[in-house]
Amino acid sequence: GAGVSQSPRYKVAKRGQDVALRCDPISGHVSLFWYQQALGQGPEFLTYFQNEAQLDKSGLPSDRFFAERPEGSVSTLKIQRTQQEDSAVYLCASSHGLAGGGGTGELFFGEGSRLTVL
Amino acid sequence: AQSVTQPDIHITVSEGASLELRCNYSYGATPYLFWYVQSPDQGHPLLLKYFSGDTLVQGIKGFEAEFKRSQSSFNLRKPSVHWSDAAEYFCAVVDPIGGYQKVTFGIGTKLQVIP
Repeated sequence: GAGVSQSPRYKVAKRGQDVALRCDPISGHVSLFWYQQALGQGPEFLTYFQNEAQLDKSGLPSDRFFAERPEGSVSTLKIQRTQQEDSAVYLCASSHGLAGGGGTGELFFGEGSRLTVL
Repeated sequence: AQSVTQPDIHITVSEGASLELRCNYSYGATPYLFWYVQSPDQGHPLLLKYFSGDTLVQGIKGFEAEFKRSQSSFNLRKPSVHWSDAAEYFCAVVDPIGGYQKVTFGIGTKLQVIP
């Protein structure tokens, strides 16, 4: 597609509910990142995929968070048993090269999925 | 680990005035440096980036940034601010050495433009 697409744009979940957030990166982009942005904060790294391989998940805050990219394109971030502290905007970004933008690190962001846990 | 500091959380400037947003990074070598802008209707477009070479880089919408190695800074500037520049600005750094390039963001500076 022309840009990175994320869905849903807004999600309200009751505490304890499972949620799934989808990211459709720019076609052909090898690298895919998930970031979490809490209110008043900058984006915080969650996890990184190179094609279908999840090479870094060091930023996932707990084992309730799980991400996958089974065919190396669309990615899903799943949060199980949501808690109020999970409320944030979840940003997906993709980049062209192995390390982004032909090796430059430039990211192309989606508009984010805003999760509110009540 | 690399880190980015944006000391100004919120800045207010008058339309037509000049702007400087500060960014300092902590990294052993020279990283790749970026400024992104975040606004509700524009996502997170990249304003400009620095990899090497000329330390003054030009970006979109009349923005520029200067890399100063001695100060570990990459401040964003614009000579005359327009009302449409009101947004949140994020400085970001990438470690160019390593298996892949994880982007680390600052906390952001929210810019308010008053008439």
